[in-house]
Amino acid sequence: SAVISQKPSRDICQRGTSLTIQCQVDSQVTMMFWYRQQPGQSLTLIATANQGSEATYESGFVIDKFPISRPNLTFSTLTVSNMSPEDSSIYLCSVTVPPPGYTFGSGTRLTVV
Amino acid sequence: TQLLEQSPQFLSIQEGENLTVYCNSSSVFSSLQWYRQEPGEGPVLLVTVVTGGEVKKLKRLTFQFGDARKDSSLHITAAQPGDTGLYLCAGSSGGSYIPTFGRGTSLIVHP
Repeated sequence: SAVISQKPSRDICQRGTSLTIQCQVDSQVTMMFWYRQQPGQSLTLIATANQGSEATYESGFVIDKFPISRPNLTFSTLTVSNMSPEDSSIYLCSVTVPPPGYTFGSGTRLTVV
Repeated sequence: TQLLEQSPQFLSIQEGENLTVYCNSSSVFSSLQWYRQEPGEGPVLLVTVVTGGEVKKLKRLTFQFGDARKDSSLHITAAQPGDTGLYLCAGSSGGSYIPTFGRGTSLIVHP
């Protein structure tokens, strides 16, 4: 199955700044997914990133706040823009694997102060 | 919106004990996955069940999919400290490749 390298693993950022999270997959994949995991909450899908097209955002998430790039079939970035303490969370990228399931990156633990 | 309810939310037990974690929904799923997540890591896929009534075993872990494909359980026999982690269930339905995740069960196994 696919192996995903995600970085940074953690960061502490000032409010109002932006952070870009990178995910590199060891094989070509059509779709990559970005999730947010808040304490005590289930994983929430932010957006689906396809190579060569704009990302598809879920309800409650907008491109201006979470711009996504997908320049090729093995790489994607998620930027958390104009951060506030409410953006403190774990951010995860993932790809689908057979049987129905996901492989996840190791996550980025973001703290906004 | 499909919801998956996991119970219990927290579980703290001693090494050697048995435990069961439940994942329930009012919706029917075509497949259901179980993941384990350790601190500082992403969730790791343990198993996928697709057939109602299906039982799968992974060493000391037994996974069951309900007959109606609305619920699932994870049973761990003789828990070990290495079983400590967050256990997440996730259900997929229809043609959607995007699963719905439960909130997870946080398990701590004390030596």
